[in-house]
Amino acid sequence: KAGVTQTPRYLIKTRGQQVTLSCSPISGHRSVSWYQQTPGQGLQFLFEYFSETQRNKGNFPGRFSGRQFSNSRSEMNVSTLELGDSALYLCASSFGGQMNTEAFFGQGTRLTVV
Amino acid sequence: AQSVTQLDSHVSVSEGTPVLLRCNYSSSYSPSLFWYVQHPNKGLQLLLKYTSAATLVKGINGFEAEFKKSETSFHLTKPSAHMSDAAEYFCVVRLSGGYNKLIFGAGTRLAVHP
Repeated sequence: KAGVTQTPRYLIKTRGQQVTLSCSPISGHRSVSWYQQTPGQGLQFLFEYFSETQRNKGNFPGRFSGRQFSNSRSEMNVSTLELGDSALYLCASSFGGQMNTEAFFGQGTRLTVV
Repeated sequence: AQSVTQLDSHVSVSEGTPVLLRCNYSSSYSPSLFWYVQHPNKGLQLLLKYTSAATLVKGINGFEAEFKKSETSFHLTKPSAHMSDAAEYFCVVRLSGGYNKLIFGAGTRLAVHP
C-alpha cells in the first residue's frame, strides 16, 4: 500500500510569490490535514479536510488556504509569501473521524522563501 | 484546552542503556495520545497510540508507553537504546470531537552515544 505522497519535496520561492503544495493520501483515506514545522514554533496545525470540506482550521492568516478534491488529494496554497513562511510542510492522512484513527505523515515539502 | 508538555528538550543516553522520554498532557476528556518519531529530513512515523483499551501500550522498535491518569503522564520508554533510535520524538494529543487536529509537544531530541 502506497504511503502519503507530497510533491514537490523541495521548493525555493521569492518573497511575494505564491506557492501550491500537493498531497496524495493513502488509498481509502478521506481526511487530510496539513501542518507547518519550524524550528521556532514547532509543529502547528494548519487545516483539515474531510470529503472535500474544511472541518477545522488553525491560527494562520488567510494567505494560507487549501482544498480537497473528490479523490481525496489535497492542495495547500500560500499567497504573498513572506520569509517567515520558510518551513517544512507536512501532510497527514487518516481514514476518517474516529477518535483513535492514527494519522500517517508524508515526507514533507521543504519551502524556502528568499 | 488540550495540550502536551515534553519535559526534556534533549536526552542523551549510551547505547544499550534505557531510554525515558517524559510527556505530561492536559485534557478535560479521556485523551487520545500518540508518540511520533522524526528522523533527520524525514516525515513523522507513528511509534504507538493510546486507545484506552490498556494503559501500557507497546509500539514499534521496542518502545512502549504507560498512560497514568492520576499523573496525567504518558512517558515513552525503551529498555535498551540503539544507535538508530537517535531522532526527535513528539508526544501528541488529538483534539476531542472526532476531528483530526493533532496538538504536538515541542519535541525531545534523543542522542545515543556508543
